[in-house]
Amino acid sequence: DAGVIQSPRHEVTEMGQEVTLRCKPISGHNSLFWYRQTMMRGLELLIYFNNNVPIDDSGMPEDRFSAKMPNASFSTLKIQPSEPRDSAVYFCASRGLAGRPGANVLTFGAGSRLTVL
Amino acid sequence: GEDVEQSLFLSVREGDSSVINCTYTDSSSTYLYWYKQEPGAGLQLLTYIFSNMDMKQDQRLTVLLNKKDKHLSLRIADTQTGDSAIYFCAVIGSNDYKLSFGAGTTVTVRA
Repeated sequence: DAGVIQSPRHEVTEMGQEVTLRCKPISGHNSLFWYRQTMMRGLELLIYFNNNVPIDDSGMPEDRFSAKMPNASFSTLKIQPSEPRDSAVYFCASRGLAGRPGANVLTFGAGSRLTVL
Repeated sequence: GEDVEQSLFLSVREGDSSVINCTYTDSSSTYLYWYKQEPGAGLQLLTYIFSNMDMKQDQRLTVLLNKKDKHLSLRIADTQTGDSAIYFCAVIGSNDYKLSFGAGTTVTVRA
């Protein structure tokens, strides 16, 4: 298995531009998470999907952030318009079905490092 | 929400044992994890323990759980330079999905 695949690995953009981060979870996993990592705030859960449905989006900072999961193998996190304070590493993670291998473990992607100038 | 606390830094000599400590607040936590993050990389699961266990050993890694004190530790035996990284303690709380992370302990291995 290729693991959780995220793209792009690095993104540098200017304030006001739209940013789209992508994630392909592990095949067969039914839970997907977006986390943000910064020096100041550490790892924060932004949103959690179960079976493609958003269950908890209480961590999404504001309306500029949106996330979708149109199918079991793809999710996007969009920031529009982006601001310098959005600069961070964004991680996607997935988890398997209860009772199946990987059910109790979050597997993380390599992350997307975003810099907003 | 769940609070997870870790010390921020640990310096250890190569070949010695490292012990990283973590405390948490949710007594109903079910699974407790240790993740490793190397510079510029994602989080790699090292090991995890279910809350009905006291100890788990996996090669050079030993996890100890004290549920009464809500204390989790990770011991790395014979620490190597490749063990230099940030180590995160994480717990799943009573909601069964939200993984709460500590701030991470930066482990530096010196020759």
